Amino acid sequence: AQTVTQSQPEMSVQEAETVTLSCTYDTSESDYYLFWYKQPPSRQMILVIRQEAYKQQNATENRFSVNFQKAAKSFSLKISDSQLGDAAMYFCAYRSARVLPNTDKLIFGTGTRLQVFP
Amino acid sequence: EAGVAQSPRYKIIEKRQSVAFWCNPISGHATLYWYQQILGQGPKLLIQFQNNGVVDDSQLPKDRFSAERLKGVDSTLKIQPAKLEDSAVYLCASSLLWAGAQETQYFGPGTRLLVL
Repeated sequence: AQTVTQSQPEMSVQEAETVTLSCTYDTSESDYYLFWYKQPPSRQMILVIRQEAYKQQNATENRFSVNFQKAAKSFSLKISDSQLGDAAMYFCAYRSARVLPNTDKLIFGTGTRLQVFP
Repeated sequence: EAGVAQSPRYKIIEKRQSVAFWCNPISGHATLYWYQQILGQGPKLLIQFQNNGVVDDSQLPKDRFSAERLKGVDSTLKIQPAKLEDSAVYLCASSLLWAGAQETQYFGPGTRLLVL
């Protein structure tokens, strides 16, 4: 079974600075997707960034980028120029790429709470 | 485009009572998911529907939880009877397609359940 581990329960960053959130995962599959979701206090989960395992190039979305190390099974999120609105819980998630009916569920880590200080 | 709607947003019940949650997915989305998020944990899938058929309910406690998606649109999740350990946020998500497609799951705001 696949597992996702986020070892940082809480992180903090100064506004305009850069912060990196860590995520490791375990799987025997070779093809899969990895995600970072943001969950603000209002509780609506929002997709931040997605990485396909077959792609070597790291995904980027504006101020958000990932460092995907497939061999090490590591998938960290870097937030540049942090803003107050970035404060939230961040969840790392895994999804199989197998084309089967019961394999597209998201498997989440326990989350990292990010605080942003002015 | 309207997002995933859920109601109620909050519910407090006593143990052994029944409770139901409602979800309206994004229009046209074929796949609907119910996740349970216990405090301090990441969401865990309870059940997944493809249109009105169940695709995965392997982690649904079927002795007390039930869910349906009539007509392949709205869905309800019911707990009967509730236990203290059912206190959690219940998240509904939907996606256009499923399995292998690079489809994003869109989440609703969740229903926070407290069982006393």
